[in-house]
This record gives sequence, C-alpha cells and structure tokens, in this order.
Amino acid sequence: GEDVEQSLFLSVREGDSSVINCTYTDSSSTYLYWYKQEPGAGLQLLTYIFSNMDMKQDQRLTVLLNKKDKHLSLRIADTQTGDSAIYFCAEIDSGGYNKLIFGAGTRLAVHP
Amino acid sequence: EAQVTQNPRYLITVTGKKLTVTCSQNMNHEYMSWYRQDPGLGLRQIYYSMNVEVTDKGDVPEGYKVSRKEKRNFPLILESPSPNQTSLYFCASSLSGGDGNTIYFGEGSWLTVV
Repeated sequence: GEDVEQSLFLSVREGDSSVINCTYTDSSSTYLYWYKQEPGAGLQLLTYIFSNMDMKQDQRLTVLLNKKDKHLSLRIADTQTGDSAIYFCAEIDSGGYNKLIFGAGTRLAVHP
Repeated sequence: EAQVTQNPRYLITVTGKKLTVTCSQNMNHEYMSWYRQDPGLGLRQIYYSMNVEVTDKGDVPEGYKVSRKEKRNFPLILESPSPNQTSLYFCASSLSGGDGNTIYFGEGSWLTVV
C-alpha cells in the first residue's frame, strides 16, 4: 500500500534554513501536504502542492516536489524558535475518499 | 466560523469502560473520518464515512465503532477500551470529492486508558 517516509528529527540554529524531507510511494497522488503540530496542539495545514507543480513558495516556506523520485521537501527560511514543532508530510490516497496517508512526522528543534 | 469540534479533549479512563468521543462539524460536509496519532507512526485512519448511514473501515479499525446518524456528527465509540488505545485522536471532515486542501481537522482528543 501507500507509504510516506520522513526522518524523525532535525535540529537547526535560529536564523538558519530548515529542510525537511519526505518520500512517498503513490505516484498518482494529486495533492501533497505539510502539516504542523505544535506541542499539545492540533494539526495546522501549512501548505500543499498540486502534483503538476515543481515548486510552491509561501512567505518563508518553499515546497519542492520531485515527481520522478517521489520526493517532497519543505524549506523554512530564517527559522525561528516558534517554528519548533512536528511537521507531517501527507499525501492523498488515490484510492480513498479524501483519505490522507501521513508520514511519522519530523520533530524540528530550533536552538539559539 | 468553520469548525470541527471534538469532545472530550482530554480523558483518562479505565480498561473496559465504554466511552464515546464526539465529533461535530458545521460545514455541511459529507465526508468525515477518524485518525489516531501515535509516536513514530504519524496519523492512521480508523474509520470514515462518506455520508449519513455510510461508514467503512480505515487502516486500524479494531476496537472501535462509529455511527453516522446525522450529517454533522460522527462519534467514535470504544466499547471496551484497552491500554493500546491510549492515543491522540483526530476527527476530520471534508467536502465529498474535494481537492484535499479542504480537509478540516478537530483539535484532537487525548485519551489515556489505564
């Protein structure tokens, strides 16, 4: 079945860029997503990219999609302590009804 | 304001004591689902519903039941909770056949079974 993989931890210094990577298996996914979960909080949709796009930029966030390698990345420029959270990569299950397949989540720690 | 509301947000219960986590949405969405989140596993779908009286199993349905008697509500029922159901639960809703970015999540319900 479909699978989404991402590394579990990332530590960066405040002000640096963070890059969170994700690989997925369902090449027919139409949308790919990044969700943010702050400690003790729910899920916040950060951004998404349609499968016919290679890149999407939204303020400090840049999403890159390499369909050939089934690789998705989220770059956060000028990372701040408020960016410390768990980031989930997710794809739409092409066989389901708006069902999301999530990665395990990458915990981003931002240190001074 | 568009909302998915879950209750309770936090619950500690004992093994075997039936409980229900409610979920309600105010957007007239047809599709609703439940996920559980566990460390290192991300979120996994438990059950989903495409419309009133139409429900189906997701990836991890064992130990759970759901019902969809009204469009706005989709309760998650644990008939006999066990410690391995300790988890963070999310309800989600979306337009039927939507484009994915219209999936709305509730705030989550932290459940501990002792």
